[in-house]
Amino acid sequence: AQKITQTQPGMFVQEKEAVTLDCTYDTSDPSYGLFWYKQPSSGEMIFLIYQGSYDQQNATEGRYSLNFQKARKSANLVISASQLGDSAMYFCAMGGNFNKFYFGSGTKLNVKP
Amino acid sequence: NAGVTQTPKFQVLKTGQSMTLQCAQDMNHEYMSWYRQDPGMGLRLIHYSVGAGITDQGEVPNGYNVSRSTTEDFPLRLLSAAPSQTSVYFCASSSPAGNTEAFFGQGTRLTVV
Repeated sequence: AQKITQTQPGMFVQEKEAVTLDCTYDTSDPSYGLFWYKQPSSGEMIFLIYQGSYDQQNATEGRYSLNFQKARKSANLVISASQLGDSAMYFCAMGGNFNKFYFGSGTKLNVKP
Repeated sequence: NAGVTQTPKFQVLKTGQSMTLQCAQDMNHEYMSWYRQDPGMGLRLIHYSVGAGITDQGEVPNGYNVSRSTTEDFPLRLLSAAPSQTSVYFCASSSPAGNTEAFFGQGTRLTVV
């Protein structure tokens, strides 16, 4: 069975600093995708970044990068140069067969001015 | 450029009432799914569909029915609402082309009293 674990219920970061949000996963599928979504207080789910299980290089999208360590089954999100607008819930998710997604419990990030 | 549209956005039901949450997408995606989000938890998969006429159960299917008569629409039915079904419901769609991100609707906040 697929499982996603996010061990940081809440995080604080100073504006303009970098922050790492942890995510570990468990699956027996050889092919899968790892995703990060942002959920602001307004409630919508915003896609941030994707990493395929066979991708050799870590994914990057602007200020977001995914630190993918396949042997450790971890897919941490790194946000560089934090902004006040980054304050939100962040969810790590795994997509497998038929794009069924399994989500972690989320990390609430607070960016301090 | 609507993407995934869910209606209604808010709903209050009495225990035992039935209702249908509507979901429509205009991206011609084969895959659609329903999730629920409870406080302090990530999204959990209720039901999913890989195409018109094909549906299957996710992690938490009890109390919910789905059908998929067209590519565009994927309604979720609560036959006899219970307070345990109080939650925020998200509909999502995605392309079957490899591991691709899911596009989410804005969510439906359902309260069962």
